[in-house]
Amino acid sequence: ILNVEQSPQSLHVQEGDSTNFTCSFPSSNFYALHWYRWETAKSPEALFVMTLNGDEKKKGRISATLNTKEGYSYLYIKGSQPEDSATYLCASLTGANNLFFGTGTRLTVIP
Amino acid sequence: DVKVTQSSRYLVKRTGEKVFLECVQDMDHENMFWYRQDPGLGLRLIYFSYDVKMKEKGDIPEGYSVSREKKERFSLILESASTNQTSMYLCASSTEGLAGGTGANVLTFGAGSRLTVL
Repeated sequence: ILNVEQSPQSLHVQEGDSTNFTCSFPSSNFYALHWYRWETAKSPEALFVMTLNGDEKKKGRISATLNTKEGYSYLYIKGSQPEDSATYLCASLTGANNLFFGTGTRLTVIP
Repeated sequence: DVKVTQSSRYLVKRTGEKVFLECVQDMDHENMFWYRQDPGLGLRLIYFSYDVKMKEKGDIPEGYSVSREKKERFSLILESASTNQTSMYLCASSTEGLAGGTGANVLTFGAGSRLTVL
């Protein structure tokens, strides 16, 4: 089982603040890095999948970067809104279907 | 707009009972997965299936079996439920292998089934 680590475990930010969190993964046998958003009582939803070193993806106010050589990815949220409150999961893919998840970062945006 | 449906959101069962968790997807996806999620741990893969009647063990298959008789349906079976199987169970599907094509395939998840075994 691959050790994928996310930090921080949880954080609270004020509405309008920008924030970021980290996903660390072993750089060997890397294939892809997934980010999912999981709102309470809903299904986890895919945000991004990145495969190449230096990849950057953006969706609205949320963006992500990938460094496969050093084994980390950052997720950024610009101008956080209450609807951004969720648990953000990252997962590292090492083979055909070997997707290993971190424990998630729980974000609470305070109005 | 529901794409992956899990039959029960909450279940309470007794130790030793046989438990079926059902999952149906309407996207004609080839692959289906069962994960469990426990506090302080990442999602862990129990089993996945890449085709009808085909299955592969994940990281924690002990105590579980699966069935995929039709492409759209993937069932997780607890032959004799135990208290350490109390958990949130998530079903997911993908159009092909996660590493297929450009490697950009993602999982589409159901809303989860929270199982409590007493």
